Order: sequence, then structure tokens, then C-alpha cells
Amino acid sequence: AQKVTQAQTEISVVEKEDVTLDCVYETRDTTYYLFWYKQPPSGELVFLIRRNSFDEQNEISGRYSWNFQKSTSSFNFTITASQVVDSAVYFCALSEPQTGANNLFFGTGTRLTVIP
Amino acid sequence: DAGVTQSPTHLIKTRGQQVTLRCSPKSGHDTVSWYQQALGQGPQFIFQYYEEEERQRGNFPDRFSGHQFPNYSSELNVNALLLGDSALYLCASIPGRGRYEQYFGPGTRLTVT
Repeated sequence: AQKVTQAQTEISVVEKEDVTLDCVYETRDTTYYLFWYKQPPSGELVFLIRRNSFDEQNEISGRYSWNFQKSTSSFNFTITASQVVDSAVYFCALSEPQTGANNLFFGTGTRLTVIP
Repeated sequence: DAGVTQSPTHLIKTRGQQVTLRCSPKSGHDTVSWYQQALGQGPQFIFQYYEEEERQRGNFPDRFSGHQFPNYSSELNVNALLLGDSALYLCASIPGRGRYEQYFGPGTRLTVT
């Protein structure tokens, strides 16, 4: 069965510090997709990145970077030089297309607070 | 280009009542998924609609039902409300049934008293 674990419930950092959010997943499928979403206080989930299981290249987008390691079933998210606007709940999610489904299985989220 | 819209924003109902939530997907998106997000939890998949039919369903009882209209908008109905149904209900708009990008609306906050 699929499972996404975000062990860090809450993290607080001071502005300009780097922070890494951890995500560990479980799946029996060989083909799957991993996602990160940001949920600000407004409640709307904002898509950040999608990664498929065949692409282990790390990705960088501005201050955001993602480290995908199949060997450890992890898909970690790093924010460099954090800003107050980064304060939000961040969710990691998994999708298993081999089942014919494209629904998302979410972790329980990590609440990030950036202190000015 | 309008994003995903949901109505109402907030709703308060009493146990045993019925509720209908509405979602309009992004323009050109024909697939809609619904998720329930309890306080402090990640969203949980309820079901997905495509071509006006329920195509996938998560682990939710039959009290949760839905509908999709020819214009791709969708409704989520919950009967015989329980206190545990209090949550944020999120609608996700998908460009096509086989696609994996999901664009979420702002949600409807349902409180059952």
C-alpha cells in the first residue's frame, strides 16, 4: 500500500536560514509520481513540483531545490535563504499511475514558520 | 484565465443535515477530484469525476456522493452529516483523465455542530 511520511510536524527557522523538509514514501509500483504542494493560510494548495520515478535528477528552481533518492525512498525539499513568505504548510504527495488512478496520496504536512 | 473556484467559502451545518458543495474547474479542464482535509492532516481523496461519471473513489462511505455537469463543474454531496465530517473540502481540476497536474481551489470550510 502507498504511504507518505513527513516526520517533521513543525519547523521554525530565522529568516535567511536554509531549511530542509523531509519526505519518505512507500509504494509497490515501479512507476510513480512525487509532488510537493504549499498550503498558505488561505488554504489553497499551490503546486511546486512533480517528479516521476524514472528521473532522479535533482532540481533547482530559484531558492527551492529537491533531492530525489530512490535508494532511500526520499524526496526532500530545501528552501535556501528562507523568507517570511515561505511560512506555510508543505505537503509531499504520491501518485501511482499503474493502478490507472491519478489521485494523490498526501503526507500529513510540515508547518514551516520563518521568523523575521 | 480563471482558476478553480469553489462555493461556498464557509458553511455551518447541524448533525444529520445534508450539504452540497460546488466546484468549477479551470477552463479546458474536464476532470475534477474532491479531497477532504481534516484539521492538521493532509488531504484525503474522496472521488474523481470525468465525463459526468465517478471514475475513482477513495475510502469514503456512500454518504459522500457527487455529480459532474456537462460544463465539467462538479458538486459534492454529503448526507447525514456527522461531527467528523467537519473539514476543508478541496476541489482539484485536472487537464485530462490521464494527466497528473492537479490545480486546487481555495476550498470550502464545513463545520458540523
